[in-house]
Amino acid sequence: EPEVTQTPSHQVTQMGQEVILRCVPISNHLYFYWYRQILGQKVEFLVSFYNNEISEKSEIFDDQFSVERPDGSNFTLKIRSTKLEDSAMYFCASRRQNSPLHFGNGTRLTVT
Amino acid sequence: QQQVKQSPQSLIVQKGGISIINCAYENTAFDYFPWYQQFPGKGPALLIAIRPDVSEKKEGRFTISFNKSAKQFSLHIMDSQPGDSATYFCAARNGGGADGLTFGKGTHLIIQP
Repeated sequence: EPEVTQTPSHQVTQMGQEVILRCVPISNHLYFYWYRQILGQKVEFLVSFYNNEISEKSEIFDDQFSVERPDGSNFTLKIRSTKLEDSAMYFCASRRQNSPLHFGNGTRLTVT
Repeated sequence: QQQVKQSPQSLIVQKGGISIINCAYENTAFDYFPWYQQFPGKGPALLIAIRPDVSEKKEGRFTISFNKSAKQFSLHIMDSQPGDSATYFCAARNGGGADGLTFGKGTHLIIQP
């Protein structure tokens, strides 16, 4: 069964550094998402992306965050200047039109 | 108004018993209500979902009950098994063009053998 693939599985970075989290959505999916989950807490929506542009974003997704689909397969989340409170699991997800969301296994981001 | 409130936070059920997890919402524009199962180190996986035009949906041992007037929905796991031990999240999506899911805080379910 096709999967959403995320790399790396764990990223450690220093406060103030830029970090890029990478995702390969399922190949025939058109809608792409990033969610985050702070340890032990609920999953929170960050952003959705369709047709090469952001379709919706939450309050969490401020100017420090950006997303990009640089080619036909990758979908990236960039955090420009990381803060301690950005430490979380970041999940990429994708779906086809009118179909359920498929999540990847996440990237654990640790900001020190 | 965008919140989805989930209870209980944790639940212990004996093998073979029924596990029940409840969620409540305020936003009447929500039109899609999925339940996700998450194992440690994994992403959430869709378990079952319902739309507000039906009051119940069953898939195998998993049933969603939906009460539109009370703005509540629940997950029932029949004949609970140790392999069902996981964290369960309810979620909701706003039908008014919004795309992101709003998740509940999760229920940590343990099925004792």
